[in-house]
Amino acid sequence: GAVVSQHPSRVICKSGTSVKIECRSLDFQATTMFWYRQFPKQSLMLMATSNEGSKATYEQGVEKDKFLINHASLTLSTLTVTSAHPEDSSFYICSARVPGSYEQYFGPGTRLTVT
Amino acid sequence: GESVGLHLPTLSVQEGDNSIINCAYSNSASDYFIWYKQESGKGPQFIIDIRSNMDKRQGQRVTVLLNKTVKHLSLQIAATQPGDSAVYFCAENIFQGAQKLVFGQGTRLTINP
Repeated sequence: GAVVSQHPSRVICKSGTSVKIECRSLDFQATTMFWYRQFPKQSLMLMATSNEGSKATYEQGVEKDKFLINHASLTLSTLTVTSAHPEDSSFYICSARVPGSYEQYFGPGTRLTVT
Repeated sequence: GESVGLHLPTLSVQEGDNSIINCAYSNSASDYFIWYKQESGKGPQFIIDIRSNMDKRQGQRVTVLLNKTVKHLSLQIAATQPGDSAVYFCAENIFQGAQKLVFGQGTRLTINP
């Protein structure tokens, strides 16, 4: 099956710094990737849709200047949390859509803790 | 629909019993639905999907039922095993400028030995 990886799996950073999270589709090319955020005991909330070679589409209420998304290739999308604050601490999960399909395959997630 | 729950509904079943997890979705135009399993600290794992032109689909030990009249989706797990303990999410595929998945609030399933 389709495999999606994320790096790092866990990161702790200080308030005010920036953190980059990578999402890779390992065995297929994904023109569309998605970034989700999940707080404890809650569901996944879509943050943005990342399209290869074009600007990301952000969901309402998500600050595009704070959560920078770059989808530079068909197998890599990155999410940079800029000037992170403790309230940005969360579980960030990416997914990649199989071309021509509705199916999304999810990465293992990245636990971000901002101190 | 959009998930706003602050705590997850829970379901406890005895090992070997069947379990049914329910989900209400919000958009009558949704054309594709998926059930995901999420273990603690991991990303969601695909279980089974169903298109809106079907009302039932079976997999290995799992069955998904779709009732479009009342916008209801269910996941049946037969002969539950300890490894089935996880949080289960339904997701509906919608089109709002682009295709996207909207996740339900999730149900925590606990299997008792």
